[in-house]
Amino acid sequence: DQQVKQNSPSLSVQEGRISILNCDYTNSMFDYFLWYKKYPAEGPTFLISISSIKDKNEDGRFTVFLNKSAKHLSLHIVPSQPGDSAVYFCAASGRDGGSQGNLIFGKGTKLSVKP
Amino acid sequence: NAGVTQTPKFRILKIGQSMTLQCAQDMNHNYMYWYRQDPGMGLKLIYYSVGAGITDKGEVPNGYNVSRSTTEDFPLRLELAAPSQTSVYFCASKVAGGPKFFGPGTRLTVL
Repeated sequence: DQQVKQNSPSLSVQEGRISILNCDYTNSMFDYFLWYKKYPAEGPTFLISISSIKDKNEDGRFTVFLNKSAKHLSLHIVPSQPGDSAVYFCAASGRDGGSQGNLIFGKGTKLSVKP
Repeated sequence: NAGVTQTPKFRILKIGQSMTLQCAQDMNHNYMYWYRQDPGMGLKLIYYSVGAGITDKGEVPNGYNVSRSTTEDFPLRLELAAPSQTSVYFCASKVAGGPKFFGPGTRLTVL
């Protein structure tokens, strides 16, 4: 059973608009969440993370929102750029913040940003 | 800095063969990780290390071994390759929080 779900396999957005990528989780013990971006034939790139004590974290064009009661988080990209076209992975971990690497990954959402 | 480097980029093995996937980082990170990614799936942790001489199993360690004799290097050994080990393998390292720096990956096919 998937503990971290990214229910949209793909998302298409116009350049300059907002991209919203969603992630749901089932395990209430998850305490730390990360987003990664991955281009084809490359390794993942860490984007942004959030601890469960927060409901929002922002870094430039990227903002992650966490709704603990709904067990839902989302990544907002504003404004979207063609270079953001990639697969985005949501990952969750316990209180160690992922230090032991035992992240549970979603299957990813492929974002396409059209010029 | 070269970051996290992995060799080889591609490899085809026959069933029962063995090989070592190399991983090195030049950022002096204590924490290093090995993940595998199967098609259409997220990454799964194979092994991790919190420093030279210290390693531990992750979620899917069967069929693999690791060693960490130096801070820089974290090789992954496959013994008796099986078709189920066909995957893309990523090495990663970090300073704080979750894995932050990933290598470019090794695409392994076992036939």
